[in-house]
Amino acid sequence: QQQVKQSPQSLIVQKGGISIINCAYENTAFDYFPWYQQFPGKGPALLIAIRPDVSEKKEGRFTISFNKSAKQFSLHIMDSQPGDSATYFCAAIFNFGNEKLTFGTGTRLTIIP
Amino acid sequence: KAGVTQTPRYLIKTRGQQVTLSCSPISGHRSVSWYQQTPGQGLQFLFEYFSETQRNKGNFPGRFSGRQFSNSRSEMNVSTLELGDSALYLCASSLRGPNTEAFFGQGTRLTVV
Repeated sequence: QQQVKQSPQSLIVQKGGISIINCAYENTAFDYFPWYQQFPGKGPALLIAIRPDVSEKKEGRFTISFNKSAKQFSLHIMDSQPGDSATYFCAAIFNFGNEKLTFGTGTRLTIIP
Repeated sequence: KAGVTQTPRYLIKTRGQQVTLSCSPISGHRSVSWYQQTPGQGLQFLFEYFSETQRNKGNFPGRFSGRQFSNSRSEMNVSTLELGDSALYLCASSLRGPNTEAFFGQGTRLTVV
């Protein structure tokens, strides 16, 4: 019940295209869903996050779509650029009583020219 | 404002030794979490501290321990190192807990030989 399942494991997208990464969770007590971007040799960097009271959140080229009934959420990267090539992790956490982020397994995104 | 600082960046230790890693959170942040990142297991939660108290602990053996000081700086210790402890150890700081924005340091790369 603590798992967050992430797909795909790796993704290759052409420059200018849309990159889509999906995550699914089981525990309905999760109520904060951040996405992290990690470059080689660096720690994960918070990209964008959403709470389940909204269905979509957009920040620049990055959008989270959230489907509470399906217990799924996804990251969309519009106009993907070579600089977006990185590993992306979705995560989930309870609001109270469980102060740990549960991470997905990661998606290695490669943007090709 | 300064980010999360982890020291040292790299460590090589021999099996059986012990190691101490340090994390200085963002100024004003009172929550510090520790994660282990490996290619096989991904990002795994170790423990979280808030105002010098451990609030949550992951499923790691007792060889892994931590503490937090009154200035919110945190240390984690691993005793009797095993080859399988080789990993990137990441520290994340947040204002009140990881269900608010959590910011990661660059990590300490520990290699056990």
